[in-house]
Amino acid sequence: GAVVSQHPSWVICKSGTSVKIECRSLDFQATTMFWYRQFPKQSLMLMATSNEGSKATYEQGVEKDKFLINHASLTLSTLTVTSAHPEDSSFYICSARPDVGGGELFFGEGSRLTVL
Amino acid sequence: GNSVTQMEGPVTLSEEAFLTINCTYTATGYPSLFWYVQYPGEGLQLLLKATKADDKGSNKGFEATYRKETTSFHLEKGSVQVSDSAVYFCALLTSGNTGKLIFGQGTTLQVKP
Repeated sequence: GAVVSQHPSWVICKSGTSVKIECRSLDFQATTMFWYRQFPKQSLMLMATSNEGSKATYEQGVEKDKFLINHASLTLSTLTVTSAHPEDSSFYICSARPDVGGGELFFGEGSRLTVL
Repeated sequence: GNSVTQMEGPVTLSEEAFLTINCTYTATGYPSLFWYVQYPGEGLQLLLKATKADDKGSNKGFEATYRKETTSFHLEKGSVQVSDSAVYFCALLTSGNTGKLIFGQGTTLQVKP
């Protein structure tokens, strides 16, 4: 089946630094990818839709200058948390929709960010 | 707007018990409905799906039927196993080419031997 890989799987950083998380579709191309945030014991909140070759579409309430998304190729989207603060600590999950197929989404393993 | 509501957990069952996790939705248009499962320490996996009213999705002994009249997609399994312990998410995919996946809050299932 289709595989989506996220890196790093966990990261600890100091407050004020920026962190980049990568999401790669390993065996398919994806024009569209999605970034979610999951708080402990809560659901996944859609943050933004990442579109290859164009700007990301952010959900209401998500700061686009805080969470920079770059969809550089058909197999790679990156999420950069800029000037991270402890409240940004969370589990970030990406998903990708293969360009060819029935519209099913495939999810990465998630990346746990801890900001000290 | 679009939203998904699941029954609150955690749900604790003994092995071989019957499982029901309720899920209801509100949506514009005709969404597809999904159940995802997240095992401890792992990523989300698609468990089953249904794309139109009255469709029944099934996988690994789990079933769910798309009920448009009650806007529900309840997850059931006749006999749970310890290995079914996980968090289960109900989700809908909004209509259209740029469909988004909207998740419920998740229900934790713990199955005891």
